[in-house]
Amino acid sequence: EVHLVESGGGLVKPGGSLRLSCAASGFTFDTFGMNWVRQAPGKGLEWVSSISSSSRYIYYTDSLKGRFTISRDNAKNTLYLQMNSLRAEDTAVYFCARIVSGAWGEFLDSWGQGTLVTVSS
Amino acid sequence: DIQMTQSPSSLSASIGDRVTITCRASQTISNCLNWYQQKPGKAPKILIYGASSLQTGVPSRFSGSGSGTDFTLTISSLQPEDFATYYCQQSYSTPNTFGQGTKLQIK
Repeated sequence: EVHLVESGGGLVKPGGSLRLSCAASGFTFDTFGMNWVRQAPGKGLEWVSSISSSSRYIYYTDSLKGRFTISRDNAKNTLYLQMNSLRAEDTAVYFCARIVSGAWGEFLDSWGQGTLVTVSS
Repeated sequence: DIQMTQSPSSLSASIGDRVTITCRASQTISNCLNWYQQKPGKAPKILIYGASSLQTGVPSRFSGSGSGTDFTLTISSLQPEDFATYYCQQSYSTPNTFGQGTKLQIK
């Protein structure tokens, strides 16, 4: 069974940094792309960033480029999101998710439970 | 970025009703359209991918259709467990943007 567990969330002051982790198990991690999606309190889903299985292809939503960095360690079966220069509007639950790709594009078939990041002074 | 617009934003319906949710893309996305269901405090769950393919384990009362810019999610006969928020997502180009969501409530 696919299992994704996020960690690293918490309360941070504006301008601070945080690194989120997503521990994966139950599948061959280094054969799947991975995604971060966030959800501000009471709001909808926002696609944040994705990384291919080998880390060759990395994408970000434009508004986050330069502040967030996605990475992965296939030896440790772990996905990361380094978040710098955090702002109040980054307050959200951050989900990691597994990407399944095909001729029809790609979708997120397995999700973690999410980790809450709160940016506040 | 491709903008995804869902309608309606909220919907009240009764058990047994047939419900349709619409998603429109700001440019053509072929059939690269997914539908997710999210219940409060939970992670989203994939229902439909590639506009019309039912994910394994999802009840057959859920169906999707459309291509290009206009898509629909249909629930043929609402069950109590279907009251949730539904999101469309395009995977035609990054960022793979989501619609704003449709909250389905009990009438």
